[in-house]
Amino acid sequence: AQKVTQAQTEISVVEKEDVTLDCVYETRDTTYYLFWYKQPPSGELVFLIRRNSFDEQNEISGRYSWNFQKSTSSFNFTITASQVVDSAVYFCALSVLGDTGRRALTFGSGTRLQVQP
Amino acid sequence: KAGVTQTPRYLIKTRGQQVTLSCSPISGHRSVSWYQQTPGQGLQFLFEYFSETQRNKGNFPGRFSGRQFSNSRSEMNVSTLELGDSALYLCASSLGQSLTEAFFGQGTRLTVV
Repeated sequence: AQKVTQAQTEISVVEKEDVTLDCVYETRDTTYYLFWYKQPPSGELVFLIRRNSFDEQNEISGRYSWNFQKSTSSFNFTITASQVVDSAVYFCALSVLGDTGRRALTFGSGTRLQVQP
Repeated sequence: KAGVTQTPRYLIKTRGQQVTLSCSPISGHRSVSWYQQTPGQGLQFLFEYFSETQRNKGNFPGRFSGRQFSNSRSEMNVSTLELGDSALYLCASSLGQSLTEAFFGQGTRLTVV
């Protein structure tokens, strides 16, 4: 079975601080995908990034960066110079091929980020 | 390009009733998955439809069912509603079968009283 752990339930920072959201996953599959989603108060899950298990290259997109380390089964997300608009709940998710030959997302419990002005 | 559309946005139902939720995927996407989000259990996978057939199912009772139409729109039905069914129901749209990406709608917030 697969599992995603986001140990940080809630993080509060002041605007312009850097913040890292941790994600640790468990799976026996060698081929899998990792995702990060942002959920603002409106409820929609906004896709941020997808990473496959064969690509350990870190990625940067503007103020966002992701660090994928297979050796520690972690896929951490860093926001540089946080802004109030970054306030949301962030979910890490794992997609593996199930017995049906199909994939489904297994989500972590989420980290609520509050950025204070 | 329009995103994933879920209707209605909010619903209030009474215990024992049934409810139908609707999801229109992104144009050209043929896979629709449904997830339930509750404070206690978090986000959990309900089922996935592709080409009008249920392809995958999560660990939910038979009261939860769904279907997909030829235009890829999907409906989810919950019968004999229980208080614990109160949740945000999210629909995800994917291009193909392998769910390498999933784009979500804003969800339907169901309250059972």
